[in-house]
Amino acid sequence: AQTVTQSQPEMSVQEAETVTLSCTYDTSESDYYLFWYKQPPSRQMILVIRQEAYKQQNATENRFSVNFQKAAKSFSLKISDSQLGDAAMYFCAYRTRSYNTDKLIFGTGTRLQVFP
Amino acid sequence: DAEITQSPRHKITETGRQVTLACHQTWNHNNMFWYRQDLGHGLRLIHYSYGVQDTNKGEVSDGYSVSRSNTEDLPLTLESAASSQTSVYFCASSRDRMNTEAFFGQGTRLTVV
Repeated sequence: AQTVTQSQPEMSVQEAETVTLSCTYDTSESDYYLFWYKQPPSRQMILVIRQEAYKQQNATENRFSVNFQKAAKSFSLKISDSQLGDAAMYFCAYRTRSYNTDKLIFGTGTRLQVFP
Repeated sequence: DAEITQSPRHKITETGRQVTLACHQTWNHNNMFWYRQDLGHGLRLIHYSYGVQDTNKGEVSDGYSVSRSNTEDLPLTLESAASSQTSVYFCASSRDRMNTEAFFGQGTRLTVV
């Protein structure tokens, strides 16, 4: 079974600085998707960025980028130029790329605080 | 705009009562999911469905049931509510098994007293 591990329960960063959130996963599959979701106090789950395992290039969405290391099964999220609105819970998630199954498996989350 | 809605947003119920949480999506998505969110556990899958009349158990399905009688709805029933089921519940949907993005409802905070 696939598992996702986020080893940092809490992180903090100062406004305008850069922070990296860690995620590792375990799988025997070769093709899959990885995601980072943001959950602000409103509870809404917001997709931040996605990575397809067959793509070697790291995904980037504006200030958000990932460092995808497939052999190491590592998928970290880098937030550049941090803003107060980035404060939230961040969840790493794994999804099988298969016709026969479709499940998102989540890590336990990292709470990010942003200080002015 | 298409959306996914959960109701109620908040509910308090007594131990032993049957409770049903509603989830309705207007995207015509085939796949629907129920998760519970607890501190220290992230989101854990309760049940999921790949289409009408299809339901499957997730990792924490004991004490919960779902039914899928149409594409739009996947209600989650707690047969006999227990204090351990106090949690925030999220419904999600996706178009099909090869589509990457899942969309989440706003969540239902359930308290069992």
